[in-house]
Amino acid sequence: AQSVTQLGSHVSVSEGALVLLRCNYSSSVPPYLFWYVQYPNQGLQLLLKYTTGATLVKGINGFEAEFKKSETSFHLTKPSAHMSDAAEYFCAVTLLYTGTASKLTFGTGTRLQVTL
Amino acid sequence: EAGVTQFPSHSVIEKGQTVTLRCDPISGHDNLYWYRRVMGKEIKFLLHFVKESKQDESGMPNNRFLAERTGGTYSTLKVQPAELEDSGVYFCASSQVAGGPSDTQYFGPGTRLTVL
Repeated sequence: AQSVTQLGSHVSVSEGALVLLRCNYSSSVPPYLFWYVQYPNQGLQLLLKYTTGATLVKGINGFEAEFKKSETSFHLTKPSAHMSDAAEYFCAVTLLYTGTASKLTFGTGTRLQVTL
Repeated sequence: EAGVTQFPSHSVIEKGQTVTLRCDPISGHDNLYWYRRVMGKEIKFLLHFVKESKQDESGMPNNRFLAERTGGTYSTLKVQPAELEDSGVYFCASSQVAGGPSDTQYFGPGTRLTVL
């Protein structure tokens, strides 16, 4: 079975500071990894995903994540936080089955607060 | 292009009543998923449709939950009778491709269900 752990249910950063949201996964096979964001009163939006190839993945809104197999991690970063980044962030991994489809296994989410 | 839509956005019902949630996927997406987030916990997979067929319903909690996708377009999720532990946010997602690097699930805004 696959699982995802997000360290820190709440993270607070100052505007302009580095954002680092942690995600570790367990998987018996090479995973596909995702970061989704949920802004207030909105649905989940895909930030970025890793499937194969380059381990540093760039997403929308200046976010990026690096797949580190040796550490089983997929941490999300952004060099400079903006007030509009305040949201809840979810790390997810695919759970492959029958070779025809995938279902997502999510972490518990990290709520990012950005202060002035 | 319209995204995934869900109706209603909120529903408050009494224990023992019936509620039906609706999801309209992105046009042309054969794959439709239901997920649920109970307060404070992770988003969990419920089931997956490919067109009108249930590909995987391993996440359905019990037989009080019935999902349908007649005609392979929109889907409904009925809870009958509702219990207190059914409260949470129900998300619907759709994807064009199932499995592989191109598989990306697009989420709706969710339906917040409160059972009193």
